[in-house]
Amino acid sequence: NAGVTQTPKFQVLKTGQSMTLQCAQDMNHNSMYWYRQDPGMGLRLIYYSASEGTTDKGEVPNGYNVSRLNKREFSLRLESAAPSQTSVYFCASRIGQVRQPQHFGDGTRLSIL
Amino acid sequence: AQSVTQPDIHITVSEGASLELRCNYSYGATPYLFWYVQSPGQGLQLLLKYFSGDTLVQGIKGFEAEFKRSQSSFNLRKPSVHWSDAAEYFCAVAPSSNDYKLSFGAGTTVTVRA
Repeated sequence: NAGVTQTPKFQVLKTGQSMTLQCAQDMNHNSMYWYRQDPGMGLRLIYYSASEGTTDKGEVPNGYNVSRLNKREFSLRLESAAPSQTSVYFCASRIGQVRQPQHFGDGTRLSIL
Repeated sequence: AQSVTQPDIHITVSEGASLELRCNYSYGATPYLFWYVQSPGQGLQLLLKYFSGDTLVQGIKGFEAEFKRSQSSFNLRKPSVHWSDAAEYFCAVAPSSNDYKLSFGAGTTVTVRA
């Protein structure tokens, strides 16, 4: 079972470059999420998509855009990368029923020089 | 403001000893509560969750957690730690009225010594 798949696993960018992080889930989940993880700060929600066709800002959306391409895929785009966006990015999905937990991918480690 | 606090950044425990990780939350009502574990280089795996009912919940890998409304706490415990339990542990909270957004604590790193 693949679950939540993120690509790439690692990426190094230069300041100002653009980049799209890909996320796909094969569990027929309705909701999808993008988080960033920084030392000592836990995970912070960047954007989420409660259902196909909808997206909403989370706690730290500045500098990012998202696309819910279809029910399976939810991409995160950095239009002009900045060193402050160096982080580990996690995608998660959830079936959408209230009492169900989120399932996480293995993360994308992004460094911006 | 709503928040989740894990007071211990790092805990070292001997193999076979008991473990308790603390989590406190600040929400208006009883939220939905979760504990996740993250092994190095991996994503987060759900250990257990609490929504309502029995305040002592059992999870995977021999973990349990107790919800205490009076203390706004949801502490994670394991009676006997194994070396494979070395990882980072996150407490997470979702407001009952809006389950889409999880708020995470900063995490507690557990080191297990032989």
